Amino acid sequence: TQLLEQSPQFLSIQEGENLTVYCNSSSVFSSLQWYRQEPGEGPVLLVTVVTGGEVKKLKRLTFQFGDARKDSSLHITAAQPGDTGLYLCAGAPMDSSYKLIFGSGTRLLVRP
Amino acid sequence: GAGVSQSPSNKVTEKGKDVELRCDPISGHTALYWYRQRLGQGLEFLIYFQGNSAPDKSGLPSDRFSAERTGESVSTLTIQRTQQEDSAVYLCASSLAGETYNEQFFGPGTRLTVL
Repeated sequence: TQLLEQSPQFLSIQEGENLTVYCNSSSVFSSLQWYRQEPGEGPVLLVTVVTGGEVKKLKRLTFQFGDARKDSSLHITAAQPGDTGLYLCAGAPMDSSYKLIFGSGTRLLVRP
Repeated sequence: GAGVSQSPSNKVTEKGKDVELRCDPISGHTALYWYRQRLGQGLEFLIYFQGNSAPDKSGLPSDRFSAERTGESVSTLTIQRTQQEDSAVYLCASSLAGETYNEQFFGPGTRLTVL
């Protein structure tokens, strides 16, 4: 069974601080995605990373895919209250790329 | 519509009753997925449709769960003889194709509560 371990589970920080969320697996993924989910809504795709070592930036968010395509990180610079939400990583297995294996999520609270 | 829609948004039922959850994917999306999300957890894959066929049903928890899709559009997830452990948010997603990058677009979910 392929698993994605996400850490930390909860994070409460002050506005302006930086943070990093990690997503780790022993399995190789063909691609990895990060989603953000607000209460009462479905997850919304933030980014897809495909190439080992790839780094993508989306304003204050930086996403990295590990060289071996087994892990990923999300770094937020100068967090704002609007960043509050549940962040989910999801990997597409090599042998069944139509399927997404989701991590358990990181619940982020940014206090003003 | 512009996005994936699901109905009902909330469903409260009694243990032992059957429920049907509906998903309307984005027009033109050939792939459709059902997931289950328990409180405070990530998403658990249930079933994948490519067109009207379901090549992967491996995530369905038991034979009480079934799903169908018609017209390469609407899908219905049916749970028979509901149990309390079925309480969760059921999310539907669609994508342009079932392969490569697999960028899925999610509906708002149906919150199912089994009393």
